[in-house]
Amino acid sequence: QVQLVQSGAEVRKPGASVKVSCKASGYTFTSYSMHWVRQAPGQRLEWMGWINAGNGNTKYSRKFQGRVTITRDTSASTAYMELSSLRSADTAVYYCARGFDYDDWGQGTLVTVSS
Amino acid sequence: QSALTQPPSASGSPGQSVTISCTGTSSDVGGFNYVSWYQQHPGKAPKLMIYEVTKRPSGVPDRFSGSKSDNTASLTVSGLQAEDEADYYCSSYAGSNNFVFGTGTKVTVL
Repeated sequence: QVQLVQSGAEVRKPGASVKVSCKASGYTFTSYSMHWVRQAPGQRLEWMGWINAGNGNTKYSRKFQGRVTITRDTSASTAYMELSSLRSADTAVYYCARGFDYDDWGQGTLVTVSS
Repeated sequence: QSALTQPPSASGSPGQSVTISCTGTSSDVGGFNYVSWYQQHPGKAPKLMIYEVTKRPSGVPDRFSGSKSDNTASLTVSGLQAEDEADYYCSSYAGSNNFVFGTGTKVTVL
């Protein structure tokens, strides 16, 4: 069965960066896109961007353009999301989700930004 | 990219039906047949319930159905059950490889 396993919770200071990983199994990694979605406490889901796991092409939400970088390592079937210049408003649970329909989701990674 | 508009809340008694709307524009909901719906229980990851407006993934009860008219998509939950109490989000393709989520609706089973 498809599984997306994300890295553990992170705490960062304002201005720092964070990199979250998403290890995929149970399907051909390069055949599906991988999206990143975040959810601040008590707030709605917010689309951040996606990567074509086959050719590495990316697309980012205008809101995060310039601060987010999504990459992948096909040999490890793992996608990564790095967010820089962190501020307190970036405190959220970050999810990876497979495919354009977000068929399957990771368990989420809590990123806390606090001085 | 503005969020799609959903009502903040909806409710119904067990066995009844509830319908949630998701309003966008001709650049997203109205322009493509790529609207999906997700169910999210507290502290859990979202779960895909409907994709491409009307399609149900295997394992999702047929009590869940989707539709679309112009710039508004809808999710209907028939025969409401206690376990259907959750937050529901719509999502749409918005062109140029962009995607957008709705504002979310909390469904309460009375």
